[in-house]
Amino acid sequence: KAGVTQTPRYLIKTRGQQVTLSCSPISGHRSVSWYQQTPGQGLQFLFEYFSETQRNKGNFPGRFSGRQFSNSRSEMNVSTLELGDSALYLCASSSGTSGQETQYFGPGTRLLVL
Amino acid sequence: DAKTTQPPSMDCAEGRAANLPCNHSTISGNEYVYWYRQIHSQGPQYIIHGLKNNETNEMASLIITEDRKSSTLILPHATLRDTAVYYCIVRVGENAGNMLTFGGGTRLMVKP
Repeated sequence: KAGVTQTPRYLIKTRGQQVTLSCSPISGHRSVSWYQQTPGQGLQFLFEYFSETQRNKGNFPGRFSGRQFSNSRSEMNVSTLELGDSALYLCASSSGTSGQETQYFGPGTRLLVL
Repeated sequence: DAKTTQPPSMDCAEGRAANLPCNHSTISGNEYVYWYRQIHSQGPQYIIHGLKNNETNEMASLIITEDRKSSTLILPHATLRDTAVYYCIVRVGENAGNMLTFGGGTRLMVKP
């Protein structure tokens, strides 16, 4: 089975712009979670989508949003980018059926905000 | 989810066993212990998880104490490629949704 894929792998934006990141889960997985990793805050949970519905949400401002499509692919959007949004954004997928199944991570998208 | 405590760094000689400890003294009865590792700038990689019993797979062994307040991840024959940050995570079981809370982890350096 192919693993979790994320596009693009690298991205450079300027302050005030918006960005959309994409995640394709492992085939058959219905849950997609997003995480932000920065040197200062470490790995932090953003949100989880299951069957096109947001199931869990972390403590991030409303500028961070996401959605999931019927094929389980997910996108996350960050509007009005700030310098502090520079980070590695990670996507993880799991079957989603029980809530305690193993999550598998993609390689991440590295976002640099100038 | 319960909080975990791990040493910030450890060294291990190549070929020797690496024993990575984790304290989770406030763990609840329905919380699982998960281990992930992250090699520099890559996505975290799942290693192993357990509830009460010791577990072993092709990558590692997980030893959970009887009171479940601590656990040890064992890499039986560490190689240079095992150099990574290792995260111990406890999470609630069924129907809790998939939210992993990562701490600082242990930076394992495997040396020749």
